[in-house]
Amino acid sequence: LAKTTQPISMDSYEGQEVNITCSHNNIATNDYITWYQQFPSQGPRFIIQGYKTKVTNEVASLFIPADRKSSTLSLPRVSLSDTAVYYCLVGDSLSSASKIIFGSGTRLSIRP
Amino acid sequence: KAGVTQTPRYLIKTRGQQVTLSCSPISGHRSVSWYQQTPGQGLQFLFEYFSETQRNKGNFPGRFSGRQFSNSRSEMNVSTLELGDSALYLCASSLGQGLYSEQFFGPGTRLTVL
Repeated sequence: LAKTTQPISMDSYEGQEVNITCSHNNIATNDYITWYQQFPSQGPRFIIQGYKTKVTNEVASLFIPADRKSSTLSLPRVSLSDTAVYYCLVGDSLSSASKIIFGSGTRLSIRP
Repeated sequence: KAGVTQTPRYLIKTRGQQVTLSCSPISGHRSVSWYQQTPGQGLQFLFEYFSETQRNKGNFPGRFSGRQFSNSRSEMNVSTLELGDSALYLCASSLGQGLYSEQFFGPGTRLTVL
């Protein structure tokens, strides 16, 4: 059961790079790592997904070390609109429902 | 392309009643999942449907049920409502099956049980 652990909250300033780390010590061979962003009163929005090494898209990068026991979501040059809750999920498409755990997420606050 | 739509957006019910929530997925998406979100418990998975079949189910009592129609639209039903069922109910659709395919969430239905 790949439980994830993230910081409860983080603060940063506009223009800074923000790195949010997620620990998943029991990650299984077939598991992928997925990050979602959620604004108040809205559904979560997919940010990025990866299996190993580094994945980059237009909004973020995901760094996964060789042992895959942790991952880091990197948001370059954040703005006020990046203030949200960020969730790390670990699992694969064959996971049973009980393994789907969003957890508490990380509440990111960006200041001017 | 239209996003995931959920109806109604807000609902107020009393204890003991039942409620049906509706979700229309993105066109072409065959997988629909439901989640409950509360301040205390966070975001919890309810169930997933793919091609009209329930593929996965979370740890919720039998009062929570759902179904999916041939056009991929889905409904979830909660019977004998309790105060603790007050929550934001989110629906998500994805192109493929499996809860780790990219999911697109709707705006949710906010249910208040009095």
